[in-house]
Amino acid sequence: AQTVTQSQPEMSVQEAETVTLSCTYDTSESNYYLFWYKQPPSRQMILVIRQEAYKQQNATENRFSVNFQKAAKSFSLKISDSQLGDTAMYFCAFVPITGANSKLTFGKGITLSVRP
Amino acid sequence: KAGVTQTPRYLIKTRGQQVTLSCSPISGHRSVSWYQQTPGQGLQFLFEYFSETQRNKGNFPGRFSGRQFSNSRSEMNVSTLELGDSALYLCASRGASMNTEAFFGQGTRLTVV
Repeated sequence: AQTVTQSQPEMSVQEAETVTLSCTYDTSESNYYLFWYKQPPSRQMILVIRQEAYKQQNATENRFSVNFQKAAKSFSLKISDSQLGDTAMYFCAFVPITGANSKLTFGKGITLSVRP
Repeated sequence: KAGVTQTPRYLIKTRGQQVTLSCSPISGHRSVSWYQQTPGQGLQFLFEYFSETQRNKGNFPGRFSGRQFSNSRSEMNVSTLELGDSALYLCASRGASMNTEAFFGQGTRLTVV
């Protein structure tokens, strides 16, 4: 069974600064995807970034980048130049690339507040 | 391209009643999955359908059921509602492969009184 752990329930950052959100996971799978989702007050879960476990290069999407450490089973999200619109809950999620178990496993989430 | 559409957005029901929630996936997507989100339990997987067949199921009682139609639209039904069923119910769709990222709707907020 897979588990995803987000140990920081809340974080706060000043606008324009950089913040890193942590996530660890546990799995016996060798090939999988990792995701970060954002859930603003509007409630809609939005995909922020995706990382394939077989790729050594860390994924980047504009101001969002990840630090993927496969051996340590760590997957952190760095948000650069934080904006007020980044205020949201952020969820780390996992899915095996193959196999019958295709459900997304989520962490508990972290509430990020961006201060003006 | 339209996103995932969930209806209704809000529902208030009384204990003991039943409720049906609807989800229309992104056009061309064949997989629909359902999640329950509560402050205490976080996001919990309910079930996933692919081409009208239930492929995975979470640990929820039999009061929770679902189905998928030939046009990939899905419905989730909860019978004999309990106060603890109050939650945000999220639907997500995926494309040809179930083992990839999911795209979510805005959810249905169910309140049981």
